[in-house]
Amino acid sequence: NAGVMQNPRHLVRRRGQEARLRCSPMKGHSHVYWYRQLPEEGLKFMVYLQKENIIDESGMPKERFSAEFPKEGPSILRIQQVVRGDSAAYFCASSPGQEAIYEQYFGPGTRLTVT
Amino acid sequence: AQKITQTQPGMFVQEKEAVTLDCTYDTSDPSYGLFWYKQPSSGEMIFLIYQGSYDQQNATEGRYSLNFQKARKSANLVISASQLGDSAMYFCAMRERDTGNQFYFGTGTSLTVIP
Repeated sequence: NAGVMQNPRHLVRRRGQEARLRCSPMKGHSHVYWYRQLPEEGLKFMVYLQKENIIDESGMPKERFSAEFPKEGPSILRIQQVVRGDSAAYFCASSPGQEAIYEQYFGPGTRLTVT
Repeated sequence: AQKITQTQPGMFVQEKEAVTLDCTYDTSDPSYGLFWYKQPSSGEMIFLIYQGSYDQQNATEGRYSLNFQKARKSANLVISASQLGDSAMYFCAMRERDTGNQFYFGTGTSLTVIP
């Protein structure tokens, strides 16, 4: 019973490059959430997706960031033209439902370093 | 206003002693869930314990218990019989029914268990 999978675990990009972060939810989970954790801080919500739909992207920066969760395959968080301030840990979580009682199961995170 | 407040940036506890990590929350939604996560130095987020707003009894999971005081809007985590492996960051989080898309996280408490 595999948990939430994220890859890569570590990603190094130069300023101006693109970063692609992948997340495969737990089996049977159709709700995916992305969070960002800056150094010495808690996790901050970025986006909530269901299959083929972005439900809530209120935490996403307006530019350079996009997310998708296609019908087949993992959810992708894409950061274009990365800058040093994008260096952070990016966590994906999945949930079987939207109700408040459902915990979110977190992946191990992708640590992005922008040089 | 902050949804989740953790006022203890760092805590120390002697091995085998109990420790309480504080968490207060702010919501007007009558239906919500409160969660605690552990983040060891390896970086993954580990679910510890859950308390629902309508639960009459405090949640317990092994050595973890949640001291839920609804009127005071506090949800403190109690770790009994601390072990060296408990040294980690601990995050309190909340989901609301009306905004069930995301978790709100506190800034975390760093716990160090002293042998």
